[in-house]
Amino acid sequence: GQNIDQPTEMTATEGAIVQINCTYQTSGFNGLFWYQQHAGEAPTFLSYNVLDGLEEKGRFSSFLSRSKGYSYLLLKELQMKDSASYLCAVKGATNKLIFGTGTLLAVQP
Amino acid sequence: DGGITQSPKYLFRKEGQNVTLSCEQNLNHDAMYWYRQDPGQGLRLIYYSQIVNDFQKGDIAEGYSVSREKKESFPLTVTSAQKNPTAFYLCASNQQLSSGNTIYFGEGSWLTVV
Repeated sequence: GQNIDQPTEMTATEGAIVQINCTYQTSGFNGLFWYQQHAGEAPTFLSYNVLDGLEEKGRFSSFLSRSKGYSYLLLKELQMKDSASYLCAVKGATNKLIFGTGTLLAVQP
Repeated sequence: DGGITQSPKYLFRKEGQNVTLSCEQNLNHDAMYWYRQDPGQGLRLIYYSQIVNDFQKGDIAEGYSVSREKKESFPLTVTSAQKNPTAFYLCASNQQLSSGNTIYFGEGSWLTVV
């Protein structure tokens, strides 16, 4: 079967750093994606990992360990506008993208 | 500008009615997808199409139907057989030549049963 797990909710303080974890079990692996979704809006692409290691893009970084079936999204210098859901998604053996249930991040002043 | 256009943004359906959600893309993408999202939930795959005139069921296809007569268009019909259709529906597309191609989403359609 296929399964993607993320924490349901997280809270962090403005200016701080937060790490959102994602573990997965899928049939085949062709990459892992992170999306940001504000309430009532479409998801927007944040990052893509297909090889082990860290990908950095501005305030956001994403890490992948294929042997552990594990990824995390790191958000630095948190801003209030970062309050959103963060979706982890894995592309399996076919071109289908399977999503986790998302992590709702609340950034507090 | 290139992108994915979904319509309508808001739709109300009476019991027993079929309704169709439109999805058009001008990105020249081969693959298109329909996802359903319920409040506080992740995205669940309804149907996907990797090429014109071909499509496959996703994880929750019952009560839905699709067609892919043109590369640009992938409409979703929510039939009366779908007993709990109230949700946020997202259409997406990507170029499937390599596994790293990002999936892009339309703005979504809200469907409510009245």
